[in-house]
This record gives sequence, C-alpha cells and structure tokens, in this order.
Amino acid sequence: DTAVSQTPKYLVTQMGNDKSIKCEQNLGHDTMYWYKQDSKKFLKIMFSYNNKELIINETVPNRFSPKSPDKAHLNLHINSLELGDSAVYFCASSLTEYGYTFGSGTRLTVV
Amino acid sequence: AQSVTQPDIHITVSEGASLELRCNYSYGATPYLFWYVQSPGQGLQLLLKYFSGDTLVQGIKGFEAEFKRSQSSFNLRKPSVHWSDAAEYFCAVVASNFGNEKLTFGTGTRLTIIP
Repeated sequence: DTAVSQTPKYLVTQMGNDKSIKCEQNLGHDTMYWYKQDSKKFLKIMFSYNNKELIINETVPNRFSPKSPDKAHLNLHINSLELGDSAVYFCASSLTEYGYTFGSGTRLTVV
Repeated sequence: AQSVTQPDIHITVSEGASLELRCNYSYGATPYLFWYVQSPGQGLQLLLKYFSGDTLVQGIKGFEAEFKRSQSSFNLRKPSVHWSDAAEYFCAVVASNFGNEKLTFGTGTRLTIIP
C-alpha cells in the first residue's frame, strides 16, 4: 500500500537510449511532481501536473517529456540520454500546499 | 521567488549531543516551511512542517523546529542525537501561490554522528 511508488528503482542505460520512469500515487492528491537530485544532493523541481494539466515546467531540456494519463499517474520519458542525465529522480504528490509525499526515487545511471 | 539557504554543508556531532541545523528562507509573505530527512540510498521523509500558529513545531523522531520571522529562520533541533540520525537533512519552502505551488529545497546538510 505504498503511497507514491516509482519504477524502476534503478536504471542503467547507454548514452543515446530512450527510457521512461513511471510514478503512481494512491493518496488521491491532485498535484504530482518530478524532482531531480544531482550528485551533490541538490533537489530541483522539473515538472508539476495538477489534474493532468502541466502547471510547472522548469528549464528542462526538451528531451524530457512528462505525461500524465490521469491524476494518479505521472510518467517521465527521456529521449537521447546523456551522461549528465545521471541522477536520482523523485516523484512526489501533494494536496495543495499542505503536504508533499515523495517516492523512494529512481537512480538513473547513463554510461 | 522563494529560496532557502542551509549554510552548513556538513555537521559532525557526538552521539547523545544536542543538534541544531540552520535554515534561512527568503520569501515576502508567510512561507510554508518543511524539514525532510534522507537516509543514504533512501527517499525523502517529512520530519515536520510549519504553516501558521505556534512557532515551535514538533516533529517525528524527537525533532523540533522554531519559526522566527524576524530572522527568516526555521532551524531544526534535537536535544540528543542517535547514531541512526546520520543522514542528509533538507529544509524546504513553498509559496502559498495557489495553483502554482512548488517546493523549493535548500542544498542540504549532511549530518555525521560520532560514537
């Protein structure tokens, strides 16, 4: 009964490949997010969706494309992976500003 | 835009000693403030949060934080640390800008516990 679940937990892939990370929340929250944590542990928001509508799109390369088929799911597709994309990607959900629940993260390694 | 500063990159304390982790925020209105903890290889766990009311907030695992508007601070404290508290701690702020909320994190403070 995990609240925010991400798959896969680990992802190792070669440069140039295309990969997807999936996220699902069973909390009934309206808003979902993708955060990127770099090698220095810095957490930065990438995208935010509210009821399947994109509301935050930070300065992220076009190779990153989020998709929200419904408000319980927010997937992240990455095209033409680069070495610099190696990071931990966290999905999160929230009900307005009162609480954010994070998934356990997906560690992406591009070789 | 809101921002958060955690001036201490790395702190080392002895087990049983008291702890204070500093957090300063920059935001025009009253912010919503959070502290999260990340154990090695793990996700983010919410320790406590402040929205309004009593400026001393109690959280899980014996942590507390005090909101001081005059100092734009929200420091995290624990009277006696345990070896299991070794982790990365993040302060975060969200603007109450309805419909466009985003949680902005500080750069984190790594806590090391000496036996």
